[in-house]
Amino acid sequence: GAGVSQSPRYKVAKRGQDVALRCDPISGHVSLFWYQQALGQGPEFLTYFQNEAQLDKSGLPSDRFFAERPEGSVSTLKIQRTQQEDSAVYLCASSVDSYNEQFFGPGTRLTVL
Amino acid sequence: KQEVTQIPAALSVPEGENLVLNCSFTDSAIYNLQWFRQDPGKGLTSLLLIQSSQREQTSGRLNASLDKSSGRSTLYIAASQPGDSATYLCAVVRDNYGQNFVFGPGTRLSVLP
Repeated sequence: GAGVSQSPRYKVAKRGQDVALRCDPISGHVSLFWYQQALGQGPEFLTYFQNEAQLDKSGLPSDRFFAERPEGSVSTLKIQRTQQEDSAVYLCASSVDSYNEQFFGPGTRLTVL
Repeated sequence: KQEVTQIPAALSVPEGENLVLNCSFTDSAIYNLQWFRQDPGKGLTSLLLIQSSQREQTSGRLNASLDKSSGRSTLYIAASQPGDSATYLCAVVRDNYGQNFVFGPGTRLSVLP
């Protein structure tokens, strides 16, 4: 497809479970970003990749959050031992390179029970 | 730390009205500012991107202005339509470090037919 895709679109997890969220960026886009959006709030930055290098992970809320982009295209955001406060929409965005317009995917809505 | 605020939090107007959405940021050292639209359950759609050296950008019925020194941007929507109903988010990219956006909380717009 032409846009950023994310899967799954919805995920329900029991507290303590591990989850993995996938992002397929626009082909050829060097930069990839993950954001967390709580209900009624604006998105908050989690982490940023340039190709396969994770250049900024300052927004990851705890060491339970881990992101990777091993081949510089698809990225996975993993959350270990999920907690209720992890419930949010996780948005992925990609751009041609740094400082250019970011294109967002539809998001994955995570609900932790 | 960059903080972004948006006023009003919610707005309801009759169809056909012109309206202004406001965005303020605390650190004027920005690289660019982008306005997004978010529909319920959907990702973000880019509306306008303003580089720090620019004063305004226009697309159709939308006009965004930027006053970097005062830390303000406005999004002007002319002749509003029910299809404009959505949440509007502004986001800034910090200058010289990082390419991640800092988002405002959004303005929820309802245009009544």
